[in-house]
Amino acid sequence: QLQLQESGSGLVKPSQTLSLTCAVSGGSISSGGYSWSWIRQPPGKGLEWIGYIYHSGSTYYNPSLKSRVTISLDRSKNQFSLKLSSVTAADTAVYYCAREDTAMVLFDYWGKGTLVTVSS
Amino acid sequence: QSVLTQPPSASGTPGQRVTMSCSGSSSNIGSKTVNWYQHLPGTAPKLLIYSNNQRPSGVPDRFSGSKSGTSASLAISGLQSEDEADYYCAAWDDSLNGRWVFGGGTKLTVL
Repeated sequence: QLQLQESGSGLVKPSQTLSLTCAVSGGSISSGGYSWSWIRQPPGKGLEWIGYIYHSGSTYYNPSLKSRVTISLDRSKNQFSLKLSSVTAADTAVYYCAREDTAMVLFDYWGKGTLVTVSS
Repeated sequence: QSVLTQPPSASGTPGQRVTMSCSGSSSNIGSKTVNWYQHLPGTAPKLLIYSNNQRPSGVPDRFSGSKSGTSASLAISGLQSEDEADYYCAAWDDSLNGRWVFGGGTKLTVL
């Protein structure tokens, strides 16, 4: 059974860079047919897709966040990471990592999420 | 403001049938398939319905999905207390060079 687990700093100061990692177990992030996404949910609001990285390493980001987002793979650790720069209070959210089955066009596995608060 | 529009709440009593809607546009629901997720706070969201009306293995047939035009619906029959959760619809959107979009979620209360 595939499992995803988010980790990283729970408190980030305004203007700094948010960094999170998603550790994948029970499967390889290098397997073809899947992409690996970050999705967030601000308090009291709906879900917002941030971007994904393919097993090949190619990335695609939500146009609304593209200028501030970097997603990368670490195949040796079977994990992928998110960096979001120049954060503001509006970036306070629960951040989820998820796997997308690209053929079926669906997110089939998600992490439980981690709360990141942007505050001085 | 979520791209897909869902009613914020729904409710029903055990055994009842409830439905919840998800409204979009031609760039998402109107031309793409819709997925539904069930989410209990503090847990990982769970895929409930994919490709508009398909259930993953293990999802009871009490859950069903449908799509018409730029709207989709999730129906739950034989409502059970454990169905109390947040439900989100999702679809790929072709606008702005493409992105995944979600609804704001419907909180289902089992009375």
